[in-house]
Formats: sequence, C-alpha cells, structure tokens
Amino acid sequence: EVQLVQSGAEVKKPGATVKISCKVSGYTFIDYYMHWVRLAPGKGLEWMGHIDPEDGETLYAEKFRGRVTISADTSTDTVYMELSSLRSEDTAMYYCTTDLCTSSSCSFDYWGQGTLVTVSS
Amino acid sequence: DIQMTQSPSSLSASVGDRVTITCRASRSVTTYLNWYQQKPGKAPNLLIYAASSLQSGVPSRFSGSGSGTDFTLTISSLQPEDVAAYYCQQSYSAPRTFGQGTKVEIK
Repeated sequence: EVQLVQSGAEVKKPGATVKISCKVSGYTFIDYYMHWVRLAPGKGLEWMGHIDPEDGETLYAEKFRGRVTISADTSTDTVYMELSSLRSEDTAMYYCTTDLCTSSSCSFDYWGQGTLVTVSS
Repeated sequence: DIQMTQSPSSLSASVGDRVTITCRASRSVTTYLNWYQQKPGKAPNLLIYAASSLQSGVPSRFSGSGSGTDFTLTISSLQPEDVAAYYCQQSYSAPRTFGQGTKVEIK
C-alpha cells in the first residue's frame, strides 16, 4: 500500500522558515517525481514545485522561486519542502503528492495527509 | 506555463441534477488532463485521468471528455456526498498547473 506521511502542523512567525517532511512507503522512492501543492484559505490548489528523487533535480513555480527548497533523502525515502521568509499569505495546508506517469498520462494519484502551516505574529 | 481556466467558479444544483464543469487550457494539452475532487479538510482525490479515464473506485456518475484545449467534467446525477471543490489540472508539461476550482453545493 502506497503511503505518504507528512510531518505535523507548524506555527511560525513572519519572516521565519518552515521545513515539512513527507515519508514515502509502498513503492520505489526514486521511481516517481514528488510534487508539493498548497491550499490557502479561500483559494484554490497551487503547485509549488517538484523533485526527481533519483537525481535531485528540482523545478519551482516562479512565484516561490528563491523562497522554496525541495530536497530528497534516498536513505530514508523522505522528501522535504522548506519555505523561507514566511508571511501571513503562506498560511495554508501543504501537500506532497506523487506524479505517476504511464505512456499516455501523468497524474497525482497519491497524496500526503497535509501539513497545516500557520504564519502569525 | 500553460494556464487553465475553469467555469463556473461555483454552482448550486439539486440532488439528481446533471452537473457540468468546463476547463480550458491556454494551449493544447492533448489528453493530458486530470480532474480532482477535494472535500473540506481532506487531501485532493483523483477522479479522472487522461481526460476521460475513470480512476479506480470512483463512482460511474463521474465522467470526463475533451481533448486539445477544451474539457468537461460531468456528474450525471448529483449526490449529497459530491459537495466539494473540483479542479482540473494539465499534466502535459511542467509546471503542472491547476484550474482555479469549482465549488459544488446542493440547492
């Protein structure tokens, strides 16, 4: 059974940095890209970036470039998302999700349970 | 980046109604188009992949159609448990952009 288990809720002050983990089980870690998506209150799903766990190559949404870092630890099958210079607008639920691709499709089949990040002074 | 535009942003319909949500891509994504359902407090759930393929375990009242730039998600007979937000997403190229979402409520 595929499972993506995320770390717990965080409360941070403006300007701080948060680092969220996503531990994978049930498939070969390096086989699929891992993406991070967030849902802020009253907003829609927002793609933040992805990592290829096999070689560590990343791609970030332009909106978050310079503030977000996604990394992968192949020894523990865990992906991390670090977001710096937090502001109140970063208050959101953050999800990791696996990109499963076949010859004719790619989709986010598996999701973590979500990590709530609250940014408040 | 490919922009995804959904309509409507919200809708209210009666139980048993046929509901249609549309999604338009700023350029062709062929059939690399997925639909997700997200209920409050839950992670998104894949409903439709490759524009028209029903994900395992998803009720058959959900269906998807389209190719190129124009796509549709249809709920053939709306049920109370379908109250949720629905998002289209293109997986043709990076970044994997989402539509802005459609909130479905029961009248």
